[in-house]
Amino acid sequence: GAVVSQHPSRVICKSGTSVKIECRSLDFQATTMFWYRQFPKQSLMLMATSNEGSKATYEQGVEKDKFLINHASLTLSTLTVTSAHPEDSSFYICSASRGPDEQYFGPGTRLTVT
Amino acid sequence: AQKVTQAQTEISVVEKEDVTLDCVYETRDTTYYLFWYKQPPSGELVFLIRRNSFDEQNEISGRYSWNFQKSTSSFNFTITASQVVDSAVYFCALIDNSGNTPLVFGKGTRLSVIA
Repeated sequence: GAVVSQHPSRVICKSGTSVKIECRSLDFQATTMFWYRQFPKQSLMLMATSNEGSKATYEQGVEKDKFLINHASLTLSTLTVTSAHPEDSSFYICSASRGPDEQYFGPGTRLTVT
Repeated sequence: AQKVTQAQTEISVVEKEDVTLDCVYETRDTTYYLFWYKQPPSGELVFLIRRNSFDEQNEISGRYSWNFQKSTSSFNFTITASQVVDSAVYFCALIDNSGNTPLVFGKGTRLSVIA
């Protein structure tokens, strides 16, 4: 199957700083990428849909000014958590779409804000 | 609206027992896809199976089998002769055929296999 990478896999940052997470589709071009957030012992919650060359579509309740998403190329989408706080600590997972039945997930990024 | 229900929050079995994880879905689409993923403690989602709505054949892959029944909108997953390595959270998911839309996930079932 296709490969999607995420970087970093783990990050610890201080409260008030910003953190950027990269999601790359390594062997295909993805016009659409998705960002999910997962709290401990919960399911994946869709945060936003990222389309190459256009603004991301955010789910209700997700602050677009806090979670900045940029999809500058067909193989790269970035999620920046701005002014991170401890409540932003979570597991962030991206997926890249190659069609309605083909979505490939990255390995996830575990963010801890101290 | 689409919805996936995994009624079993946690299941605990003894090694070598068979276990079935239930998944019930709701959709108005005639064409859709169903998935199962495994999420071990590392967090990475492991793809297990994809099934389109027109293919109701059951599938077996080693100790894993899936029972898709459109009449009851269910897509159940059975692990035969469970092993400790099967311990993980399992997610059932649904997607329509309209284009680049996200997967709709169930809440997941945490399976613990005890030696």
